[in-house]
Amino acid sequence: QQQVKQSPQSLIVQKGGISIINCAYENTAFDYFPWYQQFPGKGPALLIAIRPDVSEKKEGRFTISFNKSAKQFSLHIMDSQPGDSATYFCAASPSRRSGAGSYQLTFGKGTKLSVIP
Amino acid sequence: NAGVTQTPKFQVLKTGQSMTLQCAQDMNHEYMSWYRQDPGMGLRLIHYSVGAGITDQGEVPNGYNVSRSTTEDFPLRLLSAAPSQTSVYFCASRQGGLNTEAFFGQGTRLTVV
Repeated sequence: QQQVKQSPQSLIVQKGGISIINCAYENTAFDYFPWYQQFPGKGPALLIAIRPDVSEKKEGRFTISFNKSAKQFSLHIMDSQPGDSATYFCAASPSRRSGAGSYQLTFGKGTKLSVIP
Repeated sequence: NAGVTQTPKFQVLKTGQSMTLQCAQDMNHEYMSWYRQDPGMGLRLIHYSVGAGITDQGEVPNGYNVSRSTTEDFPLRLLSAAPSQTSVYFCASRQGGLNTEAFFGQGTRLTVV
């Protein structure tokens, strides 16, 4: 059972455009939603994260939008640049400790973003 | 700071061989995890640990063993390698508590022939 569904699988955007990646989750116990960025040959690194007490969080050109009732969240990259070309993963985890495994991050399948000049 | 260090970076095994992937972190993080990354499958949790002496299974644990004798080290053992275990393996660590950032190593690319 895939608990975090991510789309699209791949995305091509022109330089200066807006990149949008969407995720949906099923587990209502999730209430921490990070996005990770991965460049080829490297490990994923935290990009931005949100908790559901806010509907939007912005850090520079990167914005997370969160819709708790729809159980969906999305990453928007404004003014996309070739240097943003990478694979992006959404993830989710519960905040309440229900057992030893409750802190685990569940990842989406990833979106490969290519920003063309 | 070294962060999370994985060794080796690349490895080729023959079917049936065993080996250990090493992971060490120098951030005194309580939580450590192993993931495998396959095309189109994202990051799937193999095993994790919430502290020295405590380990548990993740989503895809079959064929793998772990132990956590110290806070710093979390090795992943392949008992009898199979071609289906060809993948990129990532170790990650997180500070104790919840909703904390996970730090990943550079990965180990394993090919089983």
